[in-house]
Amino acid sequence: SQQGEEDPQALSIQEGENATMNCSYKTSINNLQWYRQNSGRGLVHLILIRSNEREKHSGRLRVTLDTSKKSSSLLITASRAADTASYFCATDGTGTASKLTFGTGTRLQVTL
Amino acid sequence: DARVTQTPRDKVTEMGQEVTMRCQPILGHNTVFWYRQTMMQGLELLAYFRNRAPLDDSGMPKDRFSAEMPDATLATLKIQPSEPRDSAVYFCASSWDRGREQYFGPGTRLTVT
Repeated sequence: SQQGEEDPQALSIQEGENATMNCSYKTSINNLQWYRQNSGRGLVHLILIRSNEREKHSGRLRVTLDTSKKSSSLLITASRAADTASYFCATDGTGTASKLTFGTGTRLQVTL
Repeated sequence: DARVTQTPRDKVTEMGQEVTMRCQPILGHNTVFWYRQTMMQGLELLAYFRNRAPLDDSGMPKDRFSAEMPDATLATLKIQPSEPRDSAVYFCASSWDRGREQYFGPGTRLTVT
């Protein structure tokens, strides 16, 4: 079963605007990761935030993590048409398993 | 530029035929994953290996799917016999270690008619 649930399922914005996507999860985690998938391609890792971190930046990306609410957000600032893709959160749950659990994804459309 | 490779990129086959998908993980990565992606089900984990040993294949239909790692540079996913409901994109991914970022291959688009 999927642990992460992204919200919204789809988002359409204009170039230059900011895009915010949210992810909620259910169990304790070691870290949470965000991935991007362009249509017809494999997923690409964007950023990893550990459970003891609250915020992380990478270029135009800003990720926050609230472990008390079991939620994370991904902010893309000054969006570009090239940011059009699906975005997935993935959680590394505590325990012995090595796997990530992926969410359902947010489809972002950035128009000119 | 290290990357995960998958072959074939596209496969069209008839129901009942055997399908073999291959993956070459990034050299040095010790964990390899197989995923299936469909519009209806999203991204599903089928199986994964650590140091070539299978850790979890609970996501795979055992009667028709099998996954192996003959050596550290090759992972295979076989479907025998294939069915139309197996039509999907199959991704392989590899990682340095548990919980680390995963590097995905380009996928194999399987169509079973």
